[in-house]
Amino acid sequence: EPEVTQTPSHQVTQMGQEVILRCVPISNHLYFYWYRQILGQKVEFLVSFYNNEISEKSEIFDDQFSVERPDGSNFTLKIRSTKLEDSAMYFCASRRRGMNTEAFFGQGTRLTVV
Amino acid sequence: QQQVKQSPQSLIVQKGGISIINCAYENTAFDYFPWYQQFPGKGPALLIAIRPDVSEKKEGRFTISFNKSAKQFSLHIMDSQPGDSATYFCAASMNTGFQKLVFGTGTRLLVSP
Repeated sequence: EPEVTQTPSHQVTQMGQEVILRCVPISNHLYFYWYRQILGQKVEFLVSFYNNEISEKSEIFDDQFSVERPDGSNFTLKIRSTKLEDSAMYFCASRRRGMNTEAFFGQGTRLTVV
Repeated sequence: QQQVKQSPQSLIVQKGGISIINCAYENTAFDYFPWYQQFPGKGPALLIAIRPDVSEKKEGRFTISFNKSAKQFSLHIMDSQPGDSATYFCAASMNTGFQKLVFGTGTRLLVSP
């Protein structure tokens, strides 16, 4: 069964450092998303990406965040200068074209900012 | 308007019992209501979903009940099993834009043997 894969599974970084979280969406999917989940809280939308550009972003997704699909398979989330409050589980998701098609989530990257 | 409210926060059910989780929304533009199941250390996985043109959808032991006028929907897990112990999230999205999911706050279900 196809799946969304994310690397690394856990990333520890110092405050102020840049991190890149990587995702390989399911190959025939066209819509890509990043969500985050602070420990014990709900899953929150960060950004959606379609046709090589951001289609929607939340207020969380400020200038410190960026996304890229550099090579047609990977989908990355970059945080330029990490803050303590960026510590969370980050989930990548992808979806194929169509109305209300299922969003498949990766297993997540746990980001710990120290 | 974009929120989805979910209750209870946690739930303990005996094996074989019925687990019921409730959600409510305000935005009438939502037209797709999935439930996700999440095990520790894993990403959310779609369990079952419903559109507002039906009042109930059943898949095996899992049933969604949908009340459009009340803007509420609920998940019923019949014959709950210890393997059902997980966190359950309701969610909603609109079929416009890029269908981002708005999640509820989650319910941690523990099914005791």
